[in-house]
Amino acid sequence: SQQGEEDPQALSIQEGENATMNCSYKTSINNLQWYRQNSGRGLVHLILIRSNEREKHSGRLRVTLDTSKKSSSLLITASRAADTASYFCATGPGGSNYKLTFGKGTLLTVNP
Amino acid sequence: DAGVTQSPTHLIKTRGQQVTLRCSPKSGHDTVSWYQQALGQGPQFIFQYYEEEERQRGNFPDRFSGHQFPNYSSELNVNALLLGDSALYLCASSTTGGAYEQYFGPGTRLTVT
Repeated sequence: SQQGEEDPQALSIQEGENATMNCSYKTSINNLQWYRQNSGRGLVHLILIRSNEREKHSGRLRVTLDTSKKSSSLLITASRAADTASYFCATGPGGSNYKLTFGKGTLLTVNP
Repeated sequence: DAGVTQSPTHLIKTRGQQVTLRCSPKSGHDTVSWYQQALGQGPQFIFQYYEEEERQRGNFPDRFSGHQFPNYSSELNVNALLLGDSALYLCASSTTGGAYEQYFGPGTRLTVT
């Protein structure tokens, strides 16, 4: 079963615009992570936010976490064509749970 | 610093056959996890190996088995292949405890015909 569900499923924007992707999850978490995947290849870790954090930045990325609403958002500012990829949120691991549980992802297309 | 490597890159098998996929973890990592990613879906956790033992398993049948070697590399074996086993198989490594960030390899694309 999938813990996280991303929204929207697909997003198309112009270069320079901001892209926002949302993730909702069902159970309590220790942390939430965002990954990027280019063209069905391996996943690249982008950012991790712990359950006691509300916001985190990394370069052009900004992640927020609202544990009361069981939701997170990923903002990519000043997007580039190279940001075109699928983006996944994943919950866990923590405690005796060692796995990442992924959503279905958001396909982001940045048009030059 | 070598990242996670997987072999082979692509593989085509026939229903009923058996397949072995291989993974070498990132330098300094001792924990290996395997994920299956069907087309258009997110990765699904198969199992994790730590200290040469299967530490946690996802919702996959016993046809899926694995092994971890003393050098921390790992194999994923799938027996009696089904058409539905066609997917991208991803290996991820992490440090002791398997917590937090996992580093993924490029994956092995398995096609079952």
